[in-house]
Amino acid sequence: GESVGLHLPTLSVQEGDNSIINCAYSNSASDYFIWYKQESGKGPQFIIDIRSNMDKRQGQRVTVLLNKTVKHLSLQIAATQPGDSAVYFCAECQGAQKLVFGQGTRLTINP
Amino acid sequence: NAGVTQTPKFQVLKTGQSMTLQCAQDMNHEYMSWYRQDPGMGLRLIHYSVGAGITDQGEVPNGYNVSRSTTEDFPLRLLSAAPSQTSVYFCASSYSGYRSGNTIYFGEGSWLTVV
Repeated sequence: GESVGLHLPTLSVQEGDNSIINCAYSNSASDYFIWYKQESGKGPQFIIDIRSNMDKRQGQRVTVLLNKTVKHLSLQIAATQPGDSAVYFCAECQGAQKLVFGQGTRLTINP
Repeated sequence: NAGVTQTPKFQVLKTGQSMTLQCAQDMNHEYMSWYRQDPGMGLRLIHYSVGAGITDQGEVPNGYNVSRSTTEDFPLRLLSAAPSQTSVYFCASSYSGYRSGNTIYFGEGSWLTVV
C-alpha cells in the first residue's frame, strides 16, 4: 500500500486566513519530503521541501513542519489567496529514483 | 529550452489497442520517470530510468513497457490497452535524481481514455 497519505481530502478556508495541510508517512527511513501544488489540468509544481535533519523550513508564505517521532508532515500556507486553490500533495523520496505521493488535499479559498 | 514535453495531450483508445506516449526533455537529465494519476489520487510510479539503456519498474508497471535508447527520450508503451489504464500520465525528469525537489521537472500530462 501507499506509504504516504493525507488526513483530509478537502479543506476550505477564507481568503486571508492561514491553512494547514497534513500528511502522514509510514517509512521511517525516508529522509526527504516534498510538497507539490497541482492546479487543474497541469502537472505538479514544486512548493517546498525538507530533509529529515530539519524540523521546520520556511519559504514565501509557506512553512513545512516535520515530526519524525509520529511520522507526520504538514504544510502551512499563510494569508491564503485565491490563487492558492489547488490540490496539494506531499511526496516522500524513497531512494534517489522514486517519489511516492500521497492522495492529495483539495484546498479551496473562499472569498 | 522546452523542458519536459509530452505527446499526445489527449488520446482515446479502444480496448486492446496499443499506443506510445512520448516524453522528451532537452535539459540533459539522466533521471526520467512515468507516473499515472487516477481521479482523486496522487501520482503512482510506473517505470523509471536513471540513464540511457537503464530502466526499472515502479509501483504499477503491469501493462506498460519503456525503453531509454537516448538521454532525451523516454517513451511509455501500452501493449494492449484496458479501461483500467484510463488515467492522466505524467513524465518527470531530473538531472541529479529526486533528492532535490526544485530540480524535478514534470510534463503537462497526457489524458488517456480507454473505451
